[in-house]
Amino acid sequence: GAVVSQHPSRVICKSGTSVKIECRSLDFQATTMFWYRQFPKQSLMLMATSNEGSKATYEQGVEKDKFLINHASLTLSTLTVTSAHPEDSSFYICSARDRLQSGELFFGEGSRLTVL
Amino acid sequence: AQRVTQPEKLLSVFKGAPVELKCNYSYSGSPELFWYVQYSRQRLQLLLRHISRESIKGFTADLNKGETSFHLKKPFAQEEDSAMYYCALSGPGSARQLTFGSGTQLTVLP
Repeated sequence: GAVVSQHPSRVICKSGTSVKIECRSLDFQATTMFWYRQFPKQSLMLMATSNEGSKATYEQGVEKDKFLINHASLTLSTLTVTSAHPEDSSFYICSARDRLQSGELFFGEGSRLTVL
Repeated sequence: AQRVTQPEKLLSVFKGAPVELKCNYSYSGSPELFWYVQYSRQRLQLLLRHISRESIKGFTADLNKGETSFHLKKPFAQEEDSAMYYCALSGPGSARQLTFGSGTQLTVLP
């Protein structure tokens, strides 16, 4: 089946630094990718919808300048957490929609960010 | 606004017993509903979608528009069914974002 790969799977950084998380569709093209945030023992909260070649659409309450999303190609979207603070520590998950296979969504394995 | 409610955070059943994970939704339109499963230390994966009306791993789910429900059922639970289950609803627009319920942790006891 289709695979979505996220990198890094775990990252620890100091407060004030920026962290980039990559989301790649390995064997399919994804015009649309989604970024979610998941707190411990809670559901996935949609942060933004990333469209190839255009600006991301952010959900209400999500700071665009804090969470920069770039979707430069049909197989790669990146999420950059800028000037990270401890409250940004979370599990970030991306998903990609296969534009050919009836639009099925495939999920990455997630990236755990810890900000010290 | 669309919303998905899973009333049970935790559910435990014995192996061989029937299991039902509840899901109710709120949506002003014709919904597209899904069940996703997340096994321990694995990524989220699609279990089934209502439009395909198929049975995966013995699980079925029927969309009841009158009760706005999409409960997941299996007649005989197996230990390997222990996992986190999320009900999700696909939103409007071309992007069709998913809105997830809070999830139900199913534990099947031996």
